Amino acid sequence: DSGVTQTPKHLITATGQRVTLRCSPRSGDLSVYWYQQSLDQGLQFLIQYYNGEERAKGNILERFSAQQFPDLHSELNLSSLELGDSALYFCASSSVKGNTEAFFGQGTRLTVV
Amino acid sequence: AQSVTQLDSQVPVFEEAPVELRCNYSSSVSVYLFWYVQYPNQGLQLLLKYLSGSTLVKGINGFEAEFNKSQTSFHLRKPSVHISDTAEYFCAVTKAAGNKLTFGGGTRVLVKP
Repeated sequence: DSGVTQTPKHLITATGQRVTLRCSPRSGDLSVYWYQQSLDQGLQFLIQYYNGEERAKGNILERFSAQQFPDLHSELNLSSLELGDSALYFCASSSVKGNTEAFFGQGTRLTVV
Repeated sequence: AQSVTQLDSQVPVFEEAPVELRCNYSSSVSVYLFWYVQYPNQGLQLLLKYLSGSTLVKGINGFEAEFNKSQTSFHLRKPSVHISDTAEYFCAVTKAAGNKLTFGGGTRVLVKP
């Protein structure tokens, strides 16, 4: 158990809909990362938050947004969903200072039908 | 920007045989290097990491990797694999503590009895 909790584990939704994925980082970790894993793109970095502020942005679509709340949990919002958004979405957390290791959650498998 | 190339997409290997998974990276700055493992329907688990110091790094489950700066490689090895090592393995780099990870395309290891 990495200590990173993601909910839900599975999500099936229709095209055009909006979903929210939730991540609780390890206790004490201030940094949260979101990654997308798909068959054609592999593991792609989407966005990073540190202590509530956006720190880095990757290949995140404009239809996607994220935020990190004062209690450090994070949510990834995906809107106007397309079939191609079907993927495994991972959240990871790290403490930034000292140890560089990122701990990953089990992922949320999103299926858009 | 960094990039990672995993030279083999699939590696079949017999139980108790050795295995080597190849990883090459490209970066204009010094990097930290990681190997993660993803078991079926699971998240990513850290096997080992290279931050500095000795170029031979030992990780969990009997895996080790060697950092070669001149060849920009970080190959993963295990002298004797088990059926339970069947998984996908990802090499990753980051340029600094707390930064995003850039992943290779992954290598699927299938251990045959």
